[in-house]
Amino acid sequence: ETGVTQSPTHLIKTRGQQVTLRCSSQSGHNTVSWYQQALGQGPQFIFQYYREEENGRGNFPPRFSGLQFPNYSSELNVNALELDDSALYLCASSVGQGDNQPQHFGDGTRLSIL
Amino acid sequence: AQKVTQAQTEISVVEKEDVTLDCVYETRDTTYYLFWYKQPPSGELVFLIRRNSFDEQNEISGRYSWNFQKSTSSFNFTITASQVVDSAVYFCALPGGYQKVTFGIGTKLQVIP
Repeated sequence: ETGVTQSPTHLIKTRGQQVTLRCSSQSGHNTVSWYQQALGQGPQFIFQYYREEENGRGNFPPRFSGLQFPNYSSELNVNALELDDSALYLCASSVGQGDNQPQHFGDGTRLSIL
Repeated sequence: AQKVTQAQTEISVVEKEDVTLDCVYETRDTTYYLFWYKQPPSGELVFLIRRNSFDEQNEISGRYSWNFQKSTSSFNFTITASQVVDSAVYFCALPGGYQKVTFGIGTKLQVIP
């Protein structure tokens, strides 16, 4: 079975720019969650999509947006990038709406803002 | 609000030593699950175990064992006879609430050959 894949692996942007990160979920998984992980911290929940609908959102501003496609892949868009957005962005897929299912993570996209 | 505390930020052990990683959690839910994930240097979090609040029976899986005590809100993880490949950051996680899943800050384990 194909695992969770994320692209790109690394990205360098400047303040004020916009970025799109992509995620392909594991085969058979219909839920995708996005996390931001700052250096030395645990992952922080950004939002979750279940069957193309947003199914929960963490404490992130509206310039963080996303969507999920019919094949359950997903995108994370961040507008007006700030220095504090520098982090590892992790995508995780799982089955169903329940939060108690184990999540399968990709390797992440490391975003650096200059 | 959900909260997960991993008081040990970094631990170093010599290969073949046993090591226990601590996790203390807070939740108002009466039923809940707890997870442990491992994050090697490659960045990908790897699911290790899920336990539910109904089952306090300790579990052993190979070199890994888990000690869940509801009375003290703790869910500790022990690696027996540690190996260099165990070097990673380990996260305790608690699903539920608007955050979906709350992760601890992580414990960085270094196993020295």
